[in-house]
Amino acid sequence: SQQGEEDPQALSIQEGENATMNCSYKTSINNLQWYRQNSGRGLVHLILIRSNEREKHSGRLRVTLDTSKKSSSLLITASRAADTASYFCATDFTGANNLFFGTGTRLTVIP
Amino acid sequence: EAGVAQSPRYKIIEKRQSVAFWCNPISGHATLYWYQQILGQGPKLLIQFQNNGVVDDSQLPKDRFSAERLKGVDSTLKIQPAKLEDSAVYLCASSLERRGHTQYFGPGTRLTVL
Repeated sequence: SQQGEEDPQALSIQEGENATMNCSYKTSINNLQWYRQNSGRGLVHLILIRSNEREKHSGRLRVTLDTSKKSSSLLITASRAADTASYFCATDFTGANNLFFGTGTRLTVIP
Repeated sequence: EAGVAQSPRYKIIEKRQSVAFWCNPISGHATLYWYQQILGQGPKLLIQFQNNGVVDDSQLPKDRFSAERLKGVDSTLKIQPAKLEDSAVYLCASSLERRGHTQYFGPGTRLTVL
C-alpha cells in the first residue's frame, strides 16, 4: 500500500495540552500534506511540507518531515475543544498522479 | 471565493438502484477529484480529471461506477447498480493544478445502500 499510516489511531487530551500525531510512509515523496475533517464534513487543508523542507509552522500547528525515516509529525499546541476532529496525512509520491490518504488520527479535546 | 459544492448531501437507496452525485468545483480549478470514504477510513481516490480529460481512474469500479466532467467544470459520479458495500461518503475536491497543490474539498454526499 502506498498510503501513509497515522499513529495513534485515536488520541484524547485535555484542553490546553499539546497533541502530536505521526505519519509514516514507504516510498519517496514530493510533498506531504495534513488535512482535518470534522465529523460529517469535508476535509480542510492544514499545511503542506515539501520533501526538501524539514519543518513548517502555521499558527498553532507545527509539522516536521524526516525523509530519512519516511515520517512526519503534526503538533497542535494549546489545543482547544474546536480542534476535535480527524487528522489525515496525505502523501504525494514521486511518480504518482494523486495524493494517498492515511486512515487518520481521531483527536478528542476535552474542555 | 465560493467553495466546492456537492449535492445531494444525503441519499438512501436500495441495492441494485442507481444514484448520481453532482459536484461544482471552485471556479478556475483545472483538476477535479472524486473520493470514496468508507466509515473509519481515509478517502480513496476514484477518479481524477484534468479539465475534461481523465487523468487517473485506476481505482474506479468501472462495471458499476461512471463519471464525467463536461466542459471541464461540473462533474457527475454515477453508480449503477449500487451494492451494499458502496455505502460511504463521496467527496469531491478540486485544485488549481494536479501536482503539489492544495485540494479543496466539498462537504460530501453520504450514501446509504440498504
